[in-house]
Parts: sequence; structure tokens; C-alpha cells
Amino acid sequence: DSGVTQTPKHLITATGQRVTLRCSPRSGDLSVYWYQQSLDQGLQFLIHYYNGEERAKGNILERFSAQQFPDLHSELNLSSLELGDSALYFCASSVGRTWGTEAFFGQGTRLTVV
Amino acid sequence: GENVEQHPSTLSVQEGDSAVIKCTYSDSASNYFPWYKQELGKGPQLIIDIRSNVGEKKDQRIAVTLNKTAKHFSLHITETQPEDSAVYFCAARNSGGGADGLTFGKGTHLIIQP
Repeated sequence: DSGVTQTPKHLITATGQRVTLRCSPRSGDLSVYWYQQSLDQGLQFLIHYYNGEERAKGNILERFSAQQFPDLHSELNLSSLELGDSALYFCASSVGRTWGTEAFFGQGTRLTVV
Repeated sequence: GENVEQHPSTLSVQEGDSAVIKCTYSDSASNYFPWYKQELGKGPQLIIDIRSNVGEKKDQRIAVTLNKTAKHFSLHITETQPEDSAVYFCAARNSGGGADGLTFGKGTHLIIQP
């Protein structure tokens, strides 16, 4: 168990809908990173938050947004869902501002858009 | 941005033999190169990492080598065991200080034949 908690584990929803994925980082970790994992694209960096502030954006679509709350948990919001958004979504947390050895992944949320 | 290429995409070896997975990266300023193992239904787990000021690092049956001049790094697993079967990802930390996390290779599915 990495200590990073993601909910829900599985999510099935229809095209056009909106969903929220939740990530609770390990105790003491201030950074949360979100990744999308699909079969053809591998692990793609979406966005990084540190202590409530956005630090970096990767290949995140405009239909997607995220935030990190004062208690340091983070939510990834996906709207106007398309079939191609079906993927595994992972978050990872670490103590510092940059990715290091102490970064750990959660078990992921499997999103299926039908 | 950084680009990481990983080969092979699938590797099948006999139990007890060695396995080698290779990666190349494009950004000469990248300075941290971790390897992750992902088992079915789980998030990626760090197994070993190397920094750009080191050429080789070993941890029991696992070793990683880095050639900065050629911009490539490799994972070596010796005396493979059935529990080594998984998908392995190499990654590089971007030169922007790691705020945007890691760039991952597309993964190698390692199959250990009994």
C-alpha cells in the first residue's frame, strides 16, 4: 500500500457526462501529480499541484480541470466526456516541489465512457 | 519537451535468465531516471532510480546503467523469477526542475516463462 488513496476505483459513465476523481496524498505530502494511462499513449502527465497551487500543466485537455484543497486532497474533473477519455487515471504524491524518489502512485481510477 | 523511447515493448525470457530493457531520452538536461514496475490492477511502483552524476546502480538482482553521452539508460534484471512478470516503465525527470513530473516510456511487458 503506497498510502495514496484514489476513489472511486472504477467509474462507468456515458458520453457527454461529467465526473470527479479524488486523490488523497500520503500524510505529509504536499505535491499531487495526475497522470492518464491509456493503451496507446502510455502514462501522460496531466497536471501538478503543490500546496494548493498549480505548478505545471502537461497534456491536459480544456475539458479537464483539477484543484487541490486546503487539506491537500485533489480532485480531477472531467467534463463533456468522450469515448477516448476512457483510461486509467493515476495520481501520485510527494513531499517536495519536484518529483523525487519519495513519489508514490495511487492504485488508479479506471474510467470507462460508454 | 522530453521524449523517452523504450524497447522492447514485449520481452519473454526463461526463468533464471537475465532481462534487459533499454530507454533513450532526448533532453540532455534531464537529471533523474527512475524505473517503475506495474502489476495488473495496481499503480506503478518505483523499483530503482539513477541520477545523472552516477553511471550505474545496483540493488540485489536489479541494476540500472546510464550513458549520458548517448542519452540512454537500461534496466538489467538477473536470475529472473515468476514474480518479475509485469510491465516496466522507464522515465526521465524533465529539465524544468521536475515540476511537470516525469516523462515515461511506453512500457515493456516482461513475461517470465517457467
